[in-house]
Amino acid sequence: TQLLEQSPQFLSIQEGENLTVYCNSSSVFSSLQWYRQEPGEGPVLLVTVVTGGEVKKLKRLTFQFGDARKDSSLHITAAQTGDTGLYLCAGPPGAGGTSYGKLTFGQGTILTVHP
Amino acid sequence: KAGVTQTPRYLIKTRGQQVTLSCSPISGHRSVSWYQQTPGQGLQFLFEYFSETQRNKGNFPGRFSGRQFSNSRSEMNVSTLELGDSALYLCASSSGRQETQYFGPGTRLLVL
Repeated sequence: TQLLEQSPQFLSIQEGENLTVYCNSSSVFSSLQWYRQEPGEGPVLLVTVVTGGEVKKLKRLTFQFGDARKDSSLHITAAQTGDTGLYLCAGPPGAGGTSYGKLTFGQGTILTVHP
Repeated sequence: KAGVTQTPRYLIKTRGQQVTLSCSPISGHRSVSWYQQTPGQGLQFLFEYFSETQRNKGNFPGRFSGRQFSNSRSEMNVSTLELGDSALYLCASSSGRQETQYFGPGTRLLVL
């Protein structure tokens, strides 16, 4: 079973601070996805990283996929109260193929940004 | 394009009853996956349907079942409900040939 370990589990910061969330595994993933989820709603896809070493930017959010495709990170610069939510990393097991529809999720990071 | 829709959004049932949840994927998507989300276990994969066939299955008991119709809409059924089945049930759709999944808003099931 391929597991994804996310850290930290909880993050409480002030507006304007920077933060990084980590997603680690001992297994190789063909890709990793990052989602943000608000209470009572479904996860919303932020980004998919596919290539080892890849870096993707989405405004103040920077996503990185490790060279060995076993880990990923999400960095938020100058956090805003609107960034508050549950951040989840997820990936299909193995090399993908017919397993694309079966995502393994990390436990999630609950981020609270205080004004 | 319209997003993934799930009905109903909220449901209250009692132990022993059964429930059917519905999911309409994004137009053109042929894969529908179902997940259970609880505070203790997080998001766990239930099963995936692709072109009306179950393609992947998670580690849930046989009380959890599903099906997919020719228009890609999917239903999930839970029989003999238990208190521990209380959760947010999420469905996600994708083209089926790449990684990205798009989630619906979920159905919140409360079992009393």
